[in-house]
Amino acid sequence: KQEVTQIPAALSVPEGENLVLNCSFTDSAIYNLQWFRQDPGKGLTSLLLIQSSQREQTSGRLNASLDKSSGRSTLYIAASQPGDSATYLCAPNFNFGNEKLTFGTGTRLTIIP
Amino acid sequence: KAGVTQTPRYLIKTRGQQVTLSCSPISGHRSVSWYQQTPGQGLQFLFEYFSETQRNKGNFPGRFSGRQFSNSRSEMNVSTLELGDSALYLCASSLGLGDGGELFFGEGSRLTVL
Repeated sequence: KQEVTQIPAALSVPEGENLVLNCSFTDSAIYNLQWFRQDPGKGLTSLLLIQSSQREQTSGRLNASLDKSSGRSTLYIAASQPGDSATYLCAPNFNFGNEKLTFGTGTRLTIIP
Repeated sequence: KAGVTQTPRYLIKTRGQQVTLSCSPISGHRSVSWYQQTPGQGLQFLFEYFSETQRNKGNFPGRFSGRQFSNSRSEMNVSTLELGDSALYLCASSLGLGDGGELFFGEGSRLTVL
């Protein structure tokens, strides 16, 4: 069974700190991996998409890395801000030929002003 | 460019009733996927439609069904509602090329079953 784990489940850090969120998956045969954020009661906002051939992807203060062989991805957030407070979800696509994502349980991030 | 639009945003039903949720994808996107989100199970894949055909299906009972129209809009239906069907139902759209493109989600339809 393809499983996705995100540790820690919750994280609180002071504003301005750099932080890393972790994602691990049991099947290294992924085709891509997407990171999302979700604000309470809202839908998912796509942050970054990493293709299986890529090692990392950057957007602004966010940097996501992918290590297929070890089944890991990390999301690095630089200079955190209170507006970064949300739940962050990683979702690999294990299925070439369709768009099914398998989601982790998420990390709830709180940035303390 | 308009995003993914889901209607209705909120609805309350009673056990035994049925419900239909609608999703309009981003213009030009041909794939629509549906997910159920609950506090206990997290985000679970329901099904994916591409060019009016179901391309993949998750592990849900037959009470959950969907369809896609020629304009790529999609609907999902849940019949004989149970209390456990209370959830946020999220729709996602993508180009649907099958090569792992980016998915974009709507705001969801929050269903409460009493």
